[in-house]
Amino acid sequence: DADVTQTPRNRITKTGKRIMLECSQTKGHDRMYWYRQDPGLGLQLIYYSFDVKDINKGEISDGYSVSRQAQAKFSLSLESAIPNQTALYFCATSDKGDRGGADTQYFGPGTRLTVL
Amino acid sequence: QQQVKQSPQSLIVQKGGIPIINCAYENTAFDYFPWYQQFPGKGPALLIAIRPDVSEKKEGRFTISFNKSAKQFSLHIMDSQPGDSATYFCAAGPRDTGNQFYFGTGTSLTVIP
Repeated sequence: DADVTQTPRNRITKTGKRIMLECSQTKGHDRMYWYRQDPGLGLQLIYYSFDVKDINKGEISDGYSVSRQAQAKFSLSLESAIPNQTALYFCATSDKGDRGGADTQYFGPGTRLTVL
Repeated sequence: QQQVKQSPQSLIVQKGGIPIINCAYENTAFDYFPWYQQFPGKGPALLIAIRPDVSEKKEGRFTISFNKSAKQFSLHIMDSQPGDSATYFCAAGPRDTGNQFYFGTGTSLTVIP
């Protein structure tokens, strides 16, 4: 969806390198998410943010960090990349649901990261 | 620990067939159940969603069936077409507190012409 963009789309790096994946959205949503997708494991939540000052760990946050630079920007960093972090990474955004909770998430096109 | 269990992992049907994908959950706090469709090279996109106050929801050829007592929900694709070939993910989450969805592991659907 063009409303959620991710850069880069593909990245190959070496073990031990620091990597940053960036996400921008024009949907005006407060909530942003980073997921990792591996074959057979579906989508696993890494971190999520409900606003600029609210950042929360997801299911698999170890080895990752995030920064919410603005309402529209949410970056994911791998401080020291390792081969088992090779995966497809998705950013998503959502509005707040009608009861304050879950609502539709809109995904970016993904970043394919390979760690050699 | 998988919060949402999805089956089958892959499915092949003939054009016009009715593929069925099943999901199960344990957390009774979950009360929002979306299905996402993902084509190769793209991010997942919302297909259809259901809340537990109804047992069935239809949108075009896509139907969700929901069984609250069994904590199960299913996606049915009527008159399936080759263009429906994609990976389908179910998800579940609470509407009241926070916004963390839990996704199933995905089903790769192939519709043969």
